[in-house]
Amino acid sequence: DGGITQSPKYLFRKEGQNVTLSCEQNLNHDAMYWYRQDPGQGLRLIYYSQIVNDFQKGDIAEGYSVSREKKESFPLTVTSAQKNPTAFYLCASIAQGAYGYTFGSGTRLTVV
Amino acid sequence: GESVGLHLPTLSVQEGDNSIINCAYSNSASDYFIWYKQESGKGPQFIIDIRSNMDKRQGQRVTVLLNKTVKHLSLQIAATHPGDSAVYFCAENNGNNNDMRFGAGTRLTVKP
Repeated sequence: DGGITQSPKYLFRKEGQNVTLSCEQNLNHDAMYWYRQDPGQGLRLIYYSQIVNDFQKGDIAEGYSVSREKKESFPLTVTSAQKNPTAFYLCASIAQGAYGYTFGSGTRLTVV
Repeated sequence: GESVGLHLPTLSVQEGDNSIINCAYSNSASDYFIWYKQESGKGPQFIIDIRSNMDKRQGQRVTVLLNKTVKHLSLQIAATHPGDSAVYFCAENNGNNNDMRFGAGTRLTVKP
C-alpha cells in the first residue's frame, strides 16, 4: 500500500544532541513537508521541498535542517540550536496539482 | 496576519447524537478547505474537502458547509459513535500548497 512512513514513533533527545527524524513516501509525490504540532496550536510549517535537491524554510525553520537527496525521502534533523524541541512532528506530502496533504503517523520527540 | 481558528476547543456528545464543529477563517483568497481527523498519537486523516465555489458537500455521515459571507466553515457528523472521538481541525489553501494554514483543532468526545 502507498503511504508515508515516519520513524521512529517516539524519540528522546538529550540536551545538546542532534537527532534525525525519518520520513519516507512511496506515493510518488513531488512535494514534501515537515510540520510541528504543539498542544492547543495549529500545525506550523518547518521546512518544505517541492523537488529533489531543493528545499525552503517555513515559518519556524530555526534550529532545524533538512535534506532531499531522493524523491522518496525527506529527513528532518533537530539540532541543538532548537531550544524547545519537545513536540509532535508530522511529515506530509502532496501530488502535483492536488490540494490536500497525505500525512505520516508522526514522531513524538521529547527532551530528557 | 491571516489565520484559521476554531470556535470551541472541546465538544462532548452522546453516542447517536449529531455533532457540529466550527471553523472561522480570515483569508478571503482561500479557495479550498479541508477537514482532518486526528486520533491520539496519530497523523491527521483527510475527512472531506470543499472548494470555495460550493456551499455544501456531503460524504458518508459527514457534511461540510461553507459560508463565504461570514468566512465560516463547519463539519457536521451524523449519528456519532465512540470511534469518532478525535481532534478535528480545518485547513485552508489559497492555491499555494506551501502556504496551507491549519486551525488548532476541536476535541470531540463521544460518550457511549
